[in-house]
Amino acid sequence: DVVLTQSPLSLPVTLGQPASISCRSSQSLKHRDGDTYLHWFQLRPGQSPRRLIYQVSNRDSGVPDRFSGSGSGTDFTLKISRVEAEDLGVYYCMQGTHWPPLTFGGGTKVEIK
Amino acid sequence: EVHLLESGGGLVQPGGSLRLSCAASGFPFSNFDMMWVRQPPGKGLEWVSGIRGSGHTFYADSVKGRFTISRDLSSNTLYLQMNSLGAEDTAVYYCVKGYWGDHWGQGTLVTVSS
Repeated sequence: DVVLTQSPLSLPVTLGQPASISCRSSQSLKHRDGDTYLHWFQLRPGQSPRRLIYQVSNRDSGVPDRFSGSGSGTDFTLKISRVEAEDLGVYYCMQGTHWPPLTFGGGTKVEIK
Repeated sequence: EVHLLESGGGLVQPGGSLRLSCAASGFPFSNFDMMWVRQPPGKGLEWVSGIRGSGHTFYADSVKGRFTISRDLSSNTLYLQMNSLGAEDTAVYYCVKGYWGDHWGQGTLVTVSS
């Protein structure tokens, strides 16, 4: 199974400052079809998960442009250009290239410093 | 607008069974892959099972042989039949549209305890 390792586990942030989350895969996530199926999700307290980014760098509808995704192969990054209060929560990466099973990273908790 | 509404969660004794339902609306249900993802208390997200638009089903090793995913195309409902439940199955279970997870339900809590 593909293992996704996120870092850091906890990310204390100052509102208005940038934040970055890493997701590293145990094997390349580039599919034989040429696409890379690595997605990012946000889980706010008391809410269900929401997808932010699909296929590495594509922002979902309604997602603020302060969120961006990048990476290739085994290394991926989610960046928030200026953290706002509504961004606090836990972020997960998920891969759908080598499945079953679909696998998630362990999560990164973004909290106020 | 896509809407996913789970139901069927609750308290069940170890070894017991439960069936979760997910009423889907706002998209052509039969054309889409669907899956169940769970989150145990204080832990991360875990993929449980999926069903392709073709009807082909997949399971995590941890639930294979105990859980069965199915769907009713006439009522646009996704199901998860859970048997031989153990404490490790305690979690919030989410119904999710697509193998890329584009929409999630609000979740239903399953608690396995005596």
